[in-house]
Amino acid sequence: DGGITQSPKYLFRKEGQNVTLSCEQNLNHDAMYWYRQDPGQGLRLIYYSQIVNDFQKGDIAEGYSVSREKKESFPLTVTSAQKNPTAFYLCASKWSGSNQPQHFGDGTRLSIL
Amino acid sequence: RKEVEQDPGPFNVPEGATVAFNCTYSNSASQSFFWYRQDCRKEPKLLMSVYSSGNEDGRFTAQLNRASQYISLLIRDSKLSDSATYLCVVNNGASGNTPLVFGKGTRLSVIA
Repeated sequence: DGGITQSPKYLFRKEGQNVTLSCEQNLNHDAMYWYRQDPGQGLRLIYYSQIVNDFQKGDIAEGYSVSREKKESFPLTVTSAQKNPTAFYLCASKWSGSNQPQHFGDGTRLSIL
Repeated sequence: RKEVEQDPGPFNVPEGATVAFNCTYSNSASQSFFWYRQDCRKEPKLLMSVYSSGNEDGRFTAQLNRASQYISLLIRDSKLSDSATYLCVVNNGASGNTPLVFGKGTRLSVIA
C-alpha cells in the first residue's frame, strides 16, 4: 500500500532529552512537511523540504531540526531547546511544482514525562 | 489580517440539514484551494479540491469566489458521520512549491 508512515504513534520525552520522529513515504513525492498541532488549535508549519538535501524553516522551527538524506525519509528531531514539545506532530508530502494537495501520515503524539 | 480565516464554530445541526461554511484568504495570488476534514485526534484528510468553476462530490459542493477571496463548502443532507472539523487550505503562492496554508478549522456537530 502506498502511503506515509509515521512512527512511533506515541512518544514520551524526558526533560533535556532529544527525540526523533520518523516519517517515511513511498508515494515518490518530492516535497515533505512537518506540522505541529496543539489541542484545539490549527496546524503550524515547522520545517519543509522540496528536494533531497534541502529544507527550509517554517513558522516555528526553533527547537527542532530535520534532515532529508533520502527522498522517502524526512525525520524530525525535537531538541531539548524546545521547551514545550507536547503536541500532535503531523508529517505530510506532496508532488512538488504542481498545485497538488498534501497527504498526511497518521501522526505522532509527543508528551513530556 | 490572517492568511486564512474560518469561523471556528461549533455548528450544531440536526441530521438531514444543509450547512455551509465560508473561508476567506488574504493573498490574491493564491492558486489552489482545498477542503480537508479532520476527525478528533486524527490526521487531516483531503475532502475535495476547489475549482474555479465550482465542483460537487455527492452531498458536498465547493465554490470559489476570487473577486471576494473566499471559498465555501456546502454539505447537504447532513449525516452523523459528517461530524468533524473542516479545514480550509490555500496554496499561498503562484507556484505549487510553497507550503499550503491551513485555516484553524470549523467544527461541525451533526445531532440525531
